[in-house]
Amino acid sequence: GENVEQHPSTLSVQEGDSAVIKCTYSDSASNYFPWYKQELGKRPQLIIDIRSNVGEKKDQRIAVTLNKTAKHFSLHITETQPEDSAVYFCAALGTYKYIFGTGTRLKVLA
Amino acid sequence: EAQVTQNPRYLITVTGKKLTVTCSQNMNHEYMSWYRQDPGLGLRQIYYSMNVEVTDKGDVPEGYKVSRKEKRNFPLILESPSPNQTSLYFCASSQTGGWTEAFFGQGTRLTVV
Repeated sequence: GENVEQHPSTLSVQEGDSAVIKCTYSDSASNYFPWYKQELGKRPQLIIDIRSNVGEKKDQRIAVTLNKTAKHFSLHITETQPEDSAVYFCAALGTYKYIFGTGTRLKVLA
Repeated sequence: EAQVTQNPRYLITVTGKKLTVTCSQNMNHEYMSWYRQDPGLGLRQIYYSMNVEVTDKGDVPEGYKVSRKEKRNFPLILESPSPNQTSLYFCASSQTGGWTEAFFGQGTRLTVV
């Protein structure tokens, strides 16, 4: 079946450095790619999303890039801060069905 | 306030005792779905609904049932719970087709003993 692979599973960076999380999807029909942040004990919340007709999207310190040919999309966080520490999930949505990655635990070290 | 509300937040039950987890949204969203979250496995979709009376299986539907009789409500039913259904469950809703931000409920932590 369809799947989304997410790497790395854990990522530690120094405060102020950049963090990159990568996802690869298998379903060619996927056309919507959101990223969710989940803080400890809380619900996932959308931080950025991208649609298949766009190659890159940026929102302040967060950016997402999409390569449809390679079926690959990435989350970039610049100038990381301690409050960026959380679990991040990528997802791909094709025909109504959501497939999530397994998550990346990001730790920003002060 | 726009929100997705799940109940209960915590539930401990015994194997085989039918239970229902409720989910309600006040944003007039058409798309609703249920997920389970397990360590190392991320979020896996159980069932989704594109609109009233329209539901379909996600990735892990075995042992679960859903119904969508009203637009705002999407209950998750476990007819005969088993210990392998011990998990953290999330309900979510979004606009048409799901191709917009999904708003998640607070989560329900279910333990089946």
